[in-house]
Amino acid sequence: EAAVTQSPRNKVTVTGGNVTLSCRQTNSHNYMYWYRQDTGHGLRLIHYSYGAGNLQIGDVPDGYKATRTTQEDFFLLLELASPSQTSLYFCASSEGKNTLYFGEGSRLIVV
Amino acid sequence: GDSVTQTEGQVALSEEDFLTIHCNYSASGYPALFWYVQYPGEGPQFLFRASRDKEKGSSRGFEATYDKGTTSFHLRKASVQESDSAVYYCALGRNSNNRIFFGDGTQLVVKP
Repeated sequence: EAAVTQSPRNKVTVTGGNVTLSCRQTNSHNYMYWYRQDTGHGLRLIHYSYGAGNLQIGDVPDGYKATRTTQEDFFLLLELASPSQTSLYFCASSEGKNTLYFGEGSRLIVV
Repeated sequence: GDSVTQTEGQVALSEEDFLTIHCNYSASGYPALFWYVQYPGEGPQFLFRASRDKEKGSSRGFEATYDKGTTSFHLRKASVQESDSAVYYCALGRNSNNRIFFGDGTQLVVKP
């Protein structure tokens, strides 16, 4: 069973603040993803990566940066947080064939 | 572009009722189709997939059949239980880039 761990699980920041969400997977999967989940919008892909140093743009990338430092670690960066980025963020990993293993989520509130 | 549409935002049933959640997709060729389930306070979990016309996917009593003619992958279960209460996501994927597009999700509420 793939293990995907996210931190922090909950975060409150002010508008204009700097936030980093962390994700670590322990099954050596090549692919890692960041999604945001909002009522009425389901899961929307922000960024994804197919290996250390690689970054691919998703469907809602504006206001987000991401970095894949190792096979295991994928970070999502919000450098000037805005209230519109208040959301539940999920990290996921995959070994291919599109089967994703999700973490438990990080809830971010921007006030 | 690729997309997935789930018709129902919420479905309310009683235990032992028959479940259908509708999923239609828009995509060229033969994308892979998936169902994921999300229980309260957890991340989504893979339920099953199908990748060719007429293929049936199934797990935990749930099933869906890939239908290219109607571009559908409807989720069905013969007899739901209260423990099936969750959000169900239909999804579409491409092996070429391992991207997945999710529908908006359907909240299933099962009353005892």
